[in-house]
Amino acid sequence: DVKVTQSSRYLVKRTGEKVFLECVQDMDHENMFWYRQDPGLGLRLIYFSYDVKMKEKGDIPEGYSVSREKKERFSLILESASTNQTSMYLCASSLVRAGANVLTFGAGSRLTVL
Amino acid sequence: QKEVEQDPGPLSVPEGAIVSLNCTYSNSAFQYFMWYRQYSRKGPELLMYTYSSGNKEDGRFTAQVDKSSKYISLFIRDSQPSDSATYLCAMSVGSSNTGKLIFGQGTTLQVKP
Repeated sequence: DVKVTQSSRYLVKRTGEKVFLECVQDMDHENMFWYRQDPGLGLRLIYFSYDVKMKEKGDIPEGYSVSREKKERFSLILESASTNQTSMYLCASSLVRAGANVLTFGAGSRLTVL
Repeated sequence: QKEVEQDPGPLSVPEGAIVSLNCTYSNSAFQYFMWYRQYSRKGPELLMYTYSSGNKEDGRFTAQVDKSSKYISLFIRDSQPSDSATYLCAMSVGSSNTGKLIFGQGTTLQVKP
């Protein structure tokens, strides 16, 4: 089974702190994604990467950056956390199956910024 | 207007009922349609995916796509308490490796014993 592992399930940080969310996948997938999930807004794409050292902005990249130094690892960075970044963060990796880009998600990291 | 609309519910049904979950969309270029299930405090997991119009069945689950109406459905037969979860529809335009998925906001389903 494909595994996508997010290192931190629950984090509490203070406004202005730098936050790192780590994600590792073990199935050699090319593509990796970071989403945030909020009630009433669903999943929104922050950044994605289709290769090592490559990154593309999603729909809501402001206030975030990413790093992909190795194929299996994709990190999300909040340079200066703010209260409106309190959310559930979901990492995913994907392969293309019968033409469909099928995502496998991690369990999520719930971040609270005080 | 959102590209993908999904009634958030919650939807509560008795065990054994047939459940119908739906999404509408505005982009006629969508070709790939998926349903994800998300249990509480977990990440979404893929249930089913279909290409273009038509039906697809997998056990108690049937996915249906009507491109002419821009409407997709997921039917659950003989619903079980273990089906209680949030169901997310998702769709994309292309088949490339970076084909971006657009998600609905999810429908919360509760199946009561």
